[in-house]
Amino acid sequence: GAGVSQSPSNKVTEKGKDVELRCDPISGHTALYWYRQSLGQGLEFLIYFQGNSAPDKSGLPSDRFSAERTGGSVSTLTIQRTQQEDSAVYLCASSRDRVRQYFGPGTRLTVL
Amino acid sequence: AQSVSQHNHHVILSEAASLELGCNYSYGGTVNLFWYVQYPGQHLQLLLKYFSGDPLVKGIKGFEAEFIKSKFSFNLRKPSVQWSDTAEYFCAVNAGGGGADGLTFGKGTHLIIQP
Repeated sequence: GAGVSQSPSNKVTEKGKDVELRCDPISGHTALYWYRQSLGQGLEFLIYFQGNSAPDKSGLPSDRFSAERTGGSVSTLTIQRTQQEDSAVYLCASSRDRVRQYFGPGTRLTVL
Repeated sequence: AQSVSQHNHHVILSEAASLELGCNYSYGGTVNLFWYVQYPGQHLQLLLKYFSGDPLVKGIKGFEAEFIKSKFSFNLRKPSVQWSDTAEYFCAVNAGGGGADGLTFGKGTHLIIQP
C-alpha cells in the first residue's frame, strides 16, 4: 500500500521567509510525528499528534515552528522567519499503534 | 528525559565479518527499543523492535538485538555482513506503557561494508 508521502521533496528558501512542509500519513494511521535530521544534531523529535488530542509540542526548537493536522489526516509543518540553522531534512512518520512508526522520504530544506 | 548513545559513529568491515553496534539508553521507566536503518538514498526503515518478553529479538535481513536491562543496552548484531548492509543505523527509544511517544534517536552509526 501507499506509504507516508511528503512534499515538496526539496525546498530552497531565503533567510527570513516562511515555509510550509506537508505530510500525508498512511491511511488509517491515527498518530503522526515530525522529526528533523541535520548533520550537527542527528535525528530530533519535533511534534506528535494523536487523534484529536492536543499535540505534544515538546520537541519544537522555537516558537517559529508550528504544525497543524487537519481532519486527523494531512499535517503541515510551518517554519516562520527561517534561519540558516533550520536547514535540515524534515521527516514525517505515522503510526497505527503508536509504537511502530513508518517514515516518509523527507523534505530537504535549505535556507540561504 | 530520554537519551540514546551509539558508541561507534563510523564502522568499516569486510564482507562476512561479524557485526556488533553498541547502543545504550538513559531512561528510568519502561521503554520500547528500536533499530532503524537508512540505506543510501532511501528513507528510514524499521530493522527490529523490542517491547517486552524475550530480550533477544530478531529482525529483518538476519539482524538481531539483545536488550540487557541491567546495562541499559540494546546492541545490534549480525553474524555475517554483506555489502548491501552498507547504511546508516540508528538506535531509538520511546517510553513504553503509553507514555510519551516521540522517538529519541542516537546519533547514528555509518556502516561501510567493503567487498
